[in-house]
Amino acid sequence: DVKVTQSSRYLVKRTGEKVFLECVQDMDHENMFWYRQDPGLGLRLIYFSYDVKMKEKGDIPEGYSVSREKKERFSLILESASTNQTSMYLCASSSGAGPILSTNEKLFFGSGTQLSVL
Amino acid sequence: AQSVTQLGSHVSVSEGALVLLRCNYSSSVPPYLFWYVQYPNQGLQLLLKYTSAATLVKGINGFEAEFKKSETSFHLTKPSAHMSDAAEYFCAVTNPAVTGANNLFFGTGTRLTVIP
Repeated sequence: DVKVTQSSRYLVKRTGEKVFLECVQDMDHENMFWYRQDPGLGLRLIYFSYDVKMKEKGDIPEGYSVSREKKERFSLILESASTNQTSMYLCASSSGAGPILSTNEKLFFGSGTQLSVL
Repeated sequence: AQSVTQLGSHVSVSEGALVLLRCNYSSSVPPYLFWYVQYPNQGLQLLLKYTSAATLVKGINGFEAEFKKSETSFHLTKPSAHMSDAAEYFCAVTNPAVTGANNLFFGTGTRLTVIP
């Protein structure tokens, strides 16, 4: 089974801190994603990457950046954390290649990181 | 643009009763549609997906969904609820024909409670 591992289950940070959320997948997937999950809003895509060093903005990239230096690792960075970034963050990976979702593509999600910014 | 609307943020059913979770989509082109389930303290798992093949799609754990273009719906059903079905369910849509759109648009989720 594909395993998508997020380094922290819970994080508490202070306003203005730089925050790194790490995600590692072990199935050599090309595509990796970062979503945030908020009650009443569902999941919203922050960034995705379809290759090493490639990144694309999702729906809500403001206040975030990402890094994909190695295929298996996709990091989400909050340059200066704010209270409105308190949320559940979900990483996902998929077996597709390139920026278009294929018919056989399936997203595998990590367990999530609950980030609280105080 | 694509979007999905899940009717009912909370649904309660008795054990053994029919489960019906509603999802309506909006898409200007034939969409791909998905249902994901999130159990407590876990990530999302794919239940089933529609990718323009058979309109009735069977997924894991006895769930199925039917794509109805005339109603722009993709409702999730299960004939008999089990206690282990208690979870949050997300409907999602994407447009596979749009370059650079490797992006699922998720609904706001429906929390299913199963009453013993």
